[in-house]
Amino acid sequence: GQQVMQIPQYQHVQEGEDFTTYCNSSTTLSNIQWYKQRPGGHPVFLIQLVKSGEVKKQKRLTFQFGEAKKNSSLHITATQTTDVGTYFCTIRGYGQNFVFGPGTRLSVLP
Amino acid sequence: GAVVSQHPSWVICKSGTSVKIECRSLDFQATTMFWYRQFPKQSLMLMATSNEGSKATYEQGVEKDKFLINHASLTLSTLTVTSAHPEDSSFYICSARLYGTAMNTEAFFGQGTRLTVV
Repeated sequence: GQQVMQIPQYQHVQEGEDFTTYCNSSTTLSNIQWYKQRPGGHPVFLIQLVKSGEVKKQKRLTFQFGEAKKNSSLHITATQTTDVGTYFCTIRGYGQNFVFGPGTRLSVLP
Repeated sequence: GAVVSQHPSWVICKSGTSVKIECRSLDFQATTMFWYRQFPKQSLMLMATSNEGSKATYEQGVEKDKFLINHASLTLSTLTVTSAHPEDSSFYICSARLYGTAMNTEAFFGQGTRLTVV
């Protein structure tokens, strides 16, 4: 079935440092979505990327979709403790469901 | 955004008993809902796709007789874990999309149910 890889698995940063997580697929994607899950919480939608080479920003978060539409990245500038959580990229699987990447767990040390 | 309500948020049950989890779309209709399971420090794994008015579609390796899914209306899907065992202890999450929208729209997730079988 559809699969997506995500790296790194874990990332520990000092507050104020930057953070990036990468998502890679072996197939061309129609779109990709990013979700954030706080510890003990449920996934919350962050953004969807559709166009080749697309870059979207949300305050300190920058999302990018690769030119070949096979990879994507999420970059956080100057992390804060509120950024703690697991970041998942998701792609459309067969049918209507979402396939979740393994996630990147971010820890921010104050 | 749209709201999906999941109940209960946590439950502890004895081994061999059954547990029902409800997933409701509060302010929109959902012909399709999805049930995921998440083990600690792991990603969400799709268990089944719940279709209103028809049988659920189960992912490979998920026992349909153990995880009963009912989607009787456009706003409610239920997952029943039958004859639960400790290895069924997990975080179960449902999600839904807005009815009639394109498939590339965001998914709205319930709060999740943490099941502990003792």
